[in-house]
Amino acid sequence: AQSVAQPEDQVNVAEGNPLTVKCTYSVSGNPYLFWYVQYPNRGLQFLLKYITGDNLVKGSYGFEAEFNKSQTSFHLKKPSALVSDSALYFCAVIDYKLSFGAGTTVTVRA
Amino acid sequence: EADIYQTPRYLVIGTGKKITLECSQTMGHDKMYWYQQDPGMELHLIHYSYGVNSTEKGDLSSESTVSRIRTEHFPLTLESARPSHTSQYLCASSDHSEWGAADTGELFFGEGSRLTVL
Repeated sequence: AQSVAQPEDQVNVAEGNPLTVKCTYSVSGNPYLFWYVQYPNRGLQFLLKYITGDNLVKGSYGFEAEFNKSQTSFHLKKPSALVSDSALYFCAVIDYKLSFGAGTTVTVRA
Repeated sequence: EADIYQTPRYLVIGTGKKITLECSQTMGHDKMYWYQQDPGMELHLIHYSYGVNSTEKGDLSSESTVSRIRTEHFPLTLESARPSHTSQYLCASSDHSEWGAADTGELFFGEGSRLTVL
């Protein structure tokens, strides 16, 4: 069974609107959760992680993610999206190893 | 900027050729990984190493092989390339001592090597 799922292949938003990229996980114990971003023709870049502590995690480029244990989710959010946020986003969880979701393509239109 | 480098960035070769994708990191990380990113853009772990002389196969079966003779270097080799090997290959490294330990868990990725086999 997949340890992490990203239910949306694509997310399209207008610039200035809120952006949410969804992620759910299924691991036993306390999860270690990550978000990575991949810009075209580039490697992955680390955005943020949740290990323990506050459920709201702040990361790079104005992104944040909310850990919800009851819903086993770790959705990525940005209050006001930019065209430059258009990229491929991966959620990942440590389940004896790091497992990546299938990725969500975000397109922000001007 | 992460100090992990992959060469070549792009490679187009004919079937049957032997190729080596290079990956080097200057961060002194013990752990290194190779991921294959297929056209659907999912990431699949194909090889990893926890240190010198340590190599393991990942989740996705791959005809490629790897070696880890030096901490900073983790090359991937295909002895006889085929069109089915066409993909993007991403190398990564990390400094955490074990999965789930109280450290960063962050992977540092190279820019990727896009391989096309004709």
